[in-house]
Amino acid sequence: EDQVTQSPEALRLQEGESSSLNCSYTVSGLRGLFWYRQDPGKGPEFLFTLYSAGEEKEKERLKATLTKKESFLHITAPKPEDSATYLCAVQAGGGSQGNLIFGKGTKLSVKP
Amino acid sequence: NAGVMQNPRHLVRRRGQEARLRCSPMKGHSHVYWYRQLPEEGLKFMVYLQKENIIDESGMPKERFSAEFPKEGPSILRIQQVVRGDSAAYFCASSPPTIPYEQYFGPGTRLTVT
Repeated sequence: EDQVTQSPEALRLQEGESSSLNCSYTVSGLRGLFWYRQDPGKGPEFLFTLYSAGEEKEKERLKATLTKKESFLHITAPKPEDSATYLCAVQAGGGSQGNLIFGKGTKLSVKP
Repeated sequence: NAGVMQNPRHLVRRRGQEARLRCSPMKGHSHVYWYRQLPEEGLKFMVYLQKENIIDESGMPKERFSAEFPKEGPSILRIQQVVRGDSAAYFCASSPPTIPYEQYFGPGTRLTVT
């Protein structure tokens, strides 16, 4: 069964304290891996798409990387405004191109 | 460029009533997806539609739930005879025809069944 697991469930950081969020996946043929940010009471905001192992994408303080088994979202020198839930999703080869499988997310809190 | 629009943002229904949730995709997007997010759960895929076509409804409950995306107007997710377990946030997403994997989400409709 296709599955996405994110860890940790929650992460508390001090402002400026860099860290990484993990997304491990088990799918029958990966078409793409996606990172989203979700603020309370809002819809997920698209961040990155990764298609193949070794690929990296960057946006401001965020950097996403992909291996054959997992993806990492690295946060460098985070600020309080980076506090949110970060969601990982995959599009598996066996499903329709619209069917994204989401993890439960990592809730990030950055204290000033 | 306006994003994905959903209305209403909040909907309260009594058990047994019908709920209708609307979604207008981003301009230029012809693919629409519906997801449900239960408390403490991840987003779960429900249905994938293109204009006048249901492409994948593998995540839709077999009874009481239906979805459409007519030639004109918004996509509609309809839940008949709602029960308390239907209380959740329902998100709509859209994507451009050339990059169907990159889905952009709306703000969601929070359904409460009393």
